Amino acid sequence: AQSVAQPEDQVNVAEGNPLTVKCTYSVSGNPYLFWYVQYPNRGLQFLLKYITGDNLVKGSYGFEAEFNKSQTSFHLKKPSALVSDSALYFCAVRAETQYGGSQGNLIFGKGTKLSVKP
Amino acid sequence: DAGVIQSPRHEVTEMGQEVTLRCKPISGHDYLFWYRQTMMRGLELLIYFNNNVPIDDSGMPEDRFSAKMPNASFSTLKIQPSEPRDSAVYFCASSFYTDTQYFGPGTRLTVL
Repeated sequence: AQSVAQPEDQVNVAEGNPLTVKCTYSVSGNPYLFWYVQYPNRGLQFLLKYITGDNLVKGSYGFEAEFNKSQTSFHLKKPSALVSDSALYFCAVRAETQYGGSQGNLIFGKGTKLSVKP
Repeated sequence: DAGVIQSPRHEVTEMGQEVTLRCKPISGHDYLFWYRQTMMRGLELLIYFNNNVPIDDSGMPEDRFSAKMPNASFSTLKIQPSEPRDSAVYFCASSFYTDTQYFGPGTRLTVL
């Protein structure tokens, strides 16, 4: 069965430093991967997705993610963190049927809280 | 586009009362999802629809929960009777085919 793991409950970064939020996945077919961000008292907002193509995906607010098939990872990155990036980040993979086709829903990780200090 | 619209944004009710949460998906989207988020359990998928038909309701916690989608532009999630443990933030999301899901702002439910 497909799954997503976010191994860190919290990541602390100083403003201006690069940040990485980790995600690993398990699927039997081709992975369709997503990152979402949730600010306090808000809904989840789409950041970026990987369907196929370049392993480096660029998204909103200066975020990017690197797809690594051999390591089954899809880590979220940003070269220079801002205090306003502090939020909860979710990685997700599109669910698949037992035959490897896509289902409608996403499998979400538990989320990683990013804290950026001035 | 206005995005996914949910109402009410906040709901406070007493145990035993019926609660109805509402969702209007993005126009043209054919999938609709209901999620629940709590500190203890995180984000949980309750049920999702495709073309107004429920596809998977295995996440619905018990018979007190029901969801309907009478047309492509409206869905409800009903809890009857409500219990304190139902207190959570309930999100609705929609997508076109199985592409990116877009979330609404959520309904914060408090059951006293």
